[in-house]
Amino acid sequence: GEDVEQSLFLSVREGDSSVINCTYTDSSSTYLYWYKQEPGAGLQLLTYIFSNMDMKQDQRLTVLLNKKDKHLSLRIADTQTGDSAIYFCAERPDNAGNMLTFGGGTRLMVKP
Amino acid sequence: KAGVTQTPRYLIKTRGQQVTLSCSPISGHRSVSWYQQTPGQGLQFLFEYFSETQRNKGNFPGRFSGRQFSNSRSEMNVSTLELGDSALYLCASSLARGLAGVNYEQYFGPGTRLTVT
Repeated sequence: GEDVEQSLFLSVREGDSSVINCTYTDSSSTYLYWYKQEPGAGLQLLTYIFSNMDMKQDQRLTVLLNKKDKHLSLRIADTQTGDSAIYFCAERPDNAGNMLTFGGGTRLMVKP
Repeated sequence: KAGVTQTPRYLIKTRGQQVTLSCSPISGHRSVSWYQQTPGQGLQFLFEYFSETQRNKGNFPGRFSGRQFSNSRSEMNVSTLELGDSALYLCASSLARGLAGVNYEQYFGPGTRLTVT
C-alpha cells in the first residue's frame, strides 16, 4: 500500500533556507506534489514534479526528487514569516485517477 | 476565475443526524474529489467523481456517500453521524481525471468544518 512520511516540525530564521523532506512508497506514482495549508484554510498547490525529473525550480521553491530512494524535498529560499504554515507532500498513484495520498504534514515555523 | 467554493463553511450536528456538504468546482473543471482531514488520521481520500460517476472510493464506511450533478457540482452526505466524523471536509477540483503520465492540477476549496456533538 501507499504511505507517505514527513517530519512533523521545522523551525528556521527569516531569510534562511528551509528544506522539508518526504518519503513515499508507491513506485507507480508519476506525479508528486507539494501543498501548503495556512490556519483555517484549505490546501494551496505550490508545485509538482513529474517522476522523470530530478529537479524543478519555481521562483523561491526548488523540488528535488530521488526516485531510487523515493525521496522528495522542497526547498524554500529566503524564507519569510508568511511562509509559516503546514506543508504536505502527496503522491498520485498512476492507477488511481486523481486520488492523492498525503503525508502527515510538516509544520514550518519562521522566526523573525 | 472563481476558486472552489464549499458550503456551508461550518456546521454543528448531533450524533445520529445526517449532513450534506456542497462543493462547486472551478468553472470548466469536471473532476471533484473529497477528502477528510482530522488531527489523528490526517488527510484521507473519500471519493472522486467525474462526469457524474464515482470513479474511485477510499476506505470509508457506506455512511459516506456522494454524487455529482451535470454542472459538475458535487455533494457528499454522511448519515448516522458519529463523534469521529468531526473533521474538516475538503473538496478538490480538476479539469479532468488524471491518467498515467498525464497531470491535471487539483485545486482545493476552503473546506467545511463539521463538528458532531
